[in-house]
Amino acid sequence: AQSVTQLDSQVPVFEEAPVELRCNYSSSVSVYLFWYVQYPNQGLQLLLKYLSGSTLVESINGFEAEFNKSQTSFHLRKPSVHISDTAEYFCAVSGDTGFQKLVFGTGTRLLVSP
Amino acid sequence: DGGITQSPKYLFRKEGQNVTLSCEQNLNHDAMYWYRQDPGQGLRLIYYSQIVNDFQKGDIAEGYSVSREKKESFPLTVTSAQKNPTAFYLCASSSTSGVGTFGSGTRLTVV
Repeated sequence: AQSVTQLDSQVPVFEEAPVELRCNYSSSVSVYLFWYVQYPNQGLQLLLKYLSGSTLVESINGFEAEFNKSQTSFHLRKPSVHISDTAEYFCAVSGDTGFQKLVFGTGTRLLVSP
Repeated sequence: DGGITQSPKYLFRKEGQNVTLSCEQNLNHDAMYWYRQDPGQGLRLIYYSQIVNDFQKGDIAEGYSVSREKKESFPLTVTSAQKNPTAFYLCASSSTSGVGTFGSGTRLTVV
């Protein structure tokens, strides 16, 4: 079984500042890792994913995350945030073999202010 | 465009009533899921289905029921046995392990 820990429930940051949202996972098997973003009263949208290959993955809107197997982490970073990045961000994990369910963290609310 | 459609967007239920939330996908995905979202608790899995006519309980299945008669449809019934049904419900589907596409959600309120 897998589990995900997002220690920060809320991260306030000023516009154009860098941000890091932390995600640590636990698993007895190899994993796939995901970040999803949720805007108010909407469903979740896939932001980026690590399935295999390069440990650094990037999204089209400037976010990136790095899979660190030794530290069991998949932190999300952006060098310069915008007001429009204000949302809730969920880290998720699944096993990488056969049918596997997604297990989610409790989410981190990113609050970007001017 | 392919995607997942959840309806209704808002639903109000009286005490003791059963209500059914609709989830339809045209992505040709084999697997479908129902999650419940409460503030500060992330997403918790209610039920999931890998193939038609088969489904499994998730972590919080008590008080809920599902059916999977068609590949495209996975309705969720919130029964009167669910003690605290007020929540945001999300449906998702996937073709391979893990990578899920989500619907826009149904907000259920008990009145």
